[in-house]
Amino acid sequence: EAQVTQNPRYLITVTGKKLTVTCSQNMNHEYMSWYRQDPGLGLRQIYYSMNVEVTDKGDVPEGYKVSRKEKRNFPLILESPSPNQTSLYFCASSPGGGSNQPQHFGDGTRLSIL
Amino acid sequence: AQSVAQPEDQVNVAEGNPLTVKCTYSVSGNPYLFWYVQYPNRGLQFLLKYITGDNLVKGSYGFEAEFNKSQTSFHLKKPSALVSDSALYFCAVRQGSGSARQLTFGSGTQLTVLP
Repeated sequence: EAQVTQNPRYLITVTGKKLTVTCSQNMNHEYMSWYRQDPGLGLRQIYYSMNVEVTDKGDVPEGYKVSRKEKRNFPLILESPSPNQTSLYFCASSPGGGSNQPQHFGDGTRLSIL
Repeated sequence: AQSVAQPEDQVNVAEGNPLTVKCTYSVSGNPYLFWYVQYPNRGLQFLLKYITGDNLVKGSYGFEAEFNKSQTSFHLKKPSALVSDSALYFCAVRQGSGSARQLTFGSGTQLTVLP
């Protein structure tokens, strides 16, 4: 089954404790992206990747890091999480350069930073 | 910078009635426009897209959307709403040319279909 898999689905942690949210897709998609969803703000793009070793900032990259060492994986790293990063996070992928193709979304990761 | 506006946070409609969820956008050049739906505790699911061609686009579950270039709008419509259509709907835009690959979403519209 074609899917985007995120782990963990839920995480409660404390300020400053480094964490990684993994994202993996099995569709051989070139384009991958991370979003955060906050009430009243919709989805805001954090980082995106056009292909292996190619990443770029989205609208809200501060406090986050990403890497794209393999085509299928695109982890999101919070090196020193803060309470304002409490949010619902989504990973997505699409084929090609991602311009006119719809994105496939994971089921989300709910992060609470205390 | 590109942007999307969904002017209604909430839309209520009776089952069987037509529904419209509004979306306006701002982008340089030609737009690529998308509608997604989100059910509780799930990721977004693609409904339909406009890339080029016919201004009326048909998508999944009986939804359609009309691209209006002069009004920079891409409203989502369905002739007869179902209770199961109740969900959160997002409009999104991407620049259709150049190197930009950012996808910008609206703030979402909660659709409630009343039985």
